[in-house]
Parts: sequence; structure tokens; C-alpha cells
Amino acid sequence: GQNIDQPTEMTATEGAIVQINCTYQTSGFNGLFWYQQHAGEAPTFLSYNVLDGLEEKGRFSSFLSRSKGYSYLLLKELQMKDSASYLCALMDSNYQLIWGAGTKLIIKP
Amino acid sequence: GAVVSQHPSWVICKSGTSVKIECRSLDFQATTMFWYRQFPKQSLMLMATSNEGSKATYEQGVEKDKFLINHASLTLSTLTVTSAHPEDSSFYICSARLAGGKETQYFGPGTRLLVL
Repeated sequence: GQNIDQPTEMTATEGAIVQINCTYQTSGFNGLFWYQQHAGEAPTFLSYNVLDGLEEKGRFSSFLSRSKGYSYLLLKELQMKDSASYLCALMDSNYQLIWGAGTKLIIKP
Repeated sequence: GAVVSQHPSWVICKSGTSVKIECRSLDFQATTMFWYRQFPKQSLMLMATSNEGSKATYEQGVEKDKFLINHASLTLSTLTVTSAHPEDSSFYICSARLAGGKETQYFGPGTRLLVL
């Protein structure tokens, strides 16, 4: 089976950097996604990693280590609008997404 | 690109009525669409996977006779909640995957259903 773990909640300060970790166990792997979800809204796509390493996209970066079953989302220069839930999702061998419970990120001034 | 729309965005209905939610991929063809449900402060729960021209695949515990899914074209899937009850009140979100693609799902804005 599959299992995904990410912290329930994190707090960070405006302008700072925060790293949201995601660990997983799976028998089949076709990539790992990060989505952002603001309260009351649908998720929006942030990143997709299928090979090991760091993918940088503006203020957001995502890292994957397949051997360790580990990914993180790095957010730099935090802004108040970054307050949201961040969902880690694993794509299994059937190309279906298995979702983590999400990490609620609270940004303080 | 990769825009998905949902209609309606809000539905309030009486218990026992049926509600139809549309999900459209506006600028791409989606072989596969997904229907999710999300209760407050909980994660997304996949209800069913909808493939164009074939029957939907429902997740365990989701009643296929209650949640009717039709994926008649490469740009439209519909979810009908039949005989809705207050416990069906939730945030219903669809997503679409590019035809021929096996990666990113693009989400619609969601439909809030409140059953009185």
C-alpha cells in the first residue's frame, strides 16, 4: 500500500524561508506533486518531481529523493498570501494520485 | 492554458432533490477526469475516476447509484448527486488530466453543496 506523511501545521514569519517535508512509502512511483490550496478554494498545481533533485520555480522549489521516499517544498521570501494548505501527492503505478492530509502554513507579520 | 471550470459554484437545495455538477476542460482535451469531495479541514477524498466514453471507476465506499458520473466527451464530465441529504453537503472538486498525459491534474474551482 501507500502512505504519505506531512506535518499538520507550520508557522513562519513574513519574509522568511520555510521548508515543508513529505515522506512516503509506495510500491509504485510515477512522481510527486505539490499543490497549494487556499481556504475555500480548489488546489492549484505548484510542482512535479519524478527524478531526484531540486526543481526551482521562482520563490518555490521542490526536492525529491526517491531512495529515501522524501520530498520537500521550499518557500522563500514568504508573503502573507502564502498562507494556505500545501498538499503533497504521490502518483502511483496506475497514475492515480494519493494525497497527503496537507500542511497548513500560517504566515505571521 | 489547462483551465478547468465547474458549474455551479454554489448549490443550496432541499433534502431529496438531485443536483448536477458540470466539469469542463476549457482549453484542452481530458481523457480522464476525477471527482473529489472535501469536508471542512480535511484532505481531498477521491470519489471516482471518469474516463471518456466508459463507466466511471468508483472508490471504495462511494455509492455509484447515488453519485452518477457521465463523461460523454473529452471536455465534459458531470456528477449528479441523487436524492441529496444533509450529510452530502460538502465541497466537490473535479480535476482533469490532459489526453495522452499521465501527469498533472488541473483542478476546477469547486462546487459547494449545501443540502437543507
